Amino acid sequence: DAGVIQSPRHEVTEMGQEVTLRCKPISGHDYLFWYRQTMMRGLELLIYFNNNVPIDDSGMPEDRFSAKMPNASFSTLKIQPSEPRDSAVYFCASSLVAVNQPQHFGDGTRLSIL
Amino acid sequence: AQSVTQPDIHITVSEGASLELRCNYSYGATPYLFWYVQSPGQGLQLLLKYFSGDTLVQGIKGFEAEFKRSQSSFNLRKPSVHWSDAAEYFCAGSGGYNKLIFGAGTRLAVHP
Repeated sequence: DAGVIQSPRHEVTEMGQEVTLRCKPISGHDYLFWYRQTMMRGLELLIYFNNNVPIDDSGMPEDRFSAKMPNASFSTLKIQPSEPRDSAVYFCASSLVAVNQPQHFGDGTRLSIL
Repeated sequence: AQSVTQPDIHITVSEGASLELRCNYSYGATPYLFWYVQSPGQGLQLLLKYFSGDTLVQGIKGFEAEFKRSQSSFNLRKPSVHWSDAAEYFCAGSGGYNKLIFGAGTRLAVHP
């Protein structure tokens, strides 16, 4: 079975550019989560969706960050404009039926902002 | 406030030795608890979960964890560590129908 698929795996771009990260959750999963992982702050939940609707975006650091889920099989996390401090590994995860159920993680996107 | 604490940032063990990674939680009710493992360059993989019932839960890769309400702990154990177990381990918890809270992680190194 296909797991959570993220693209790209690596992204290097210059400060000020727009960055779009993509995620395809596991088919049938109702919840989708976006996390950011850094050495300093660990694993942070940015936002999560239930049935394509954003439920909690309290972890989104600034207005420069936005996330969408236009359908059950696709989500994007966008940063515009990007800054060097946004450099991190971004993970997408999905889970069945409830927010407290086991989450299945993608392999992440390693983002470097120069 | 709800929290998950992993007291050990880094642990080193010899191959073949036993392992115990500590996790403490702070929840009012019986929490849902999880252990995940992350290998370099990869996402987190679920090792095991506890929802209710038997307090000793078995997971993949020979790992087990024990829920101890009196100590607010959910420690991960393995009787004999293999070099391939070197990775970062995350404990996570949820109280009721709330989102998961992850601990800061414990990085495991295995000496040959």
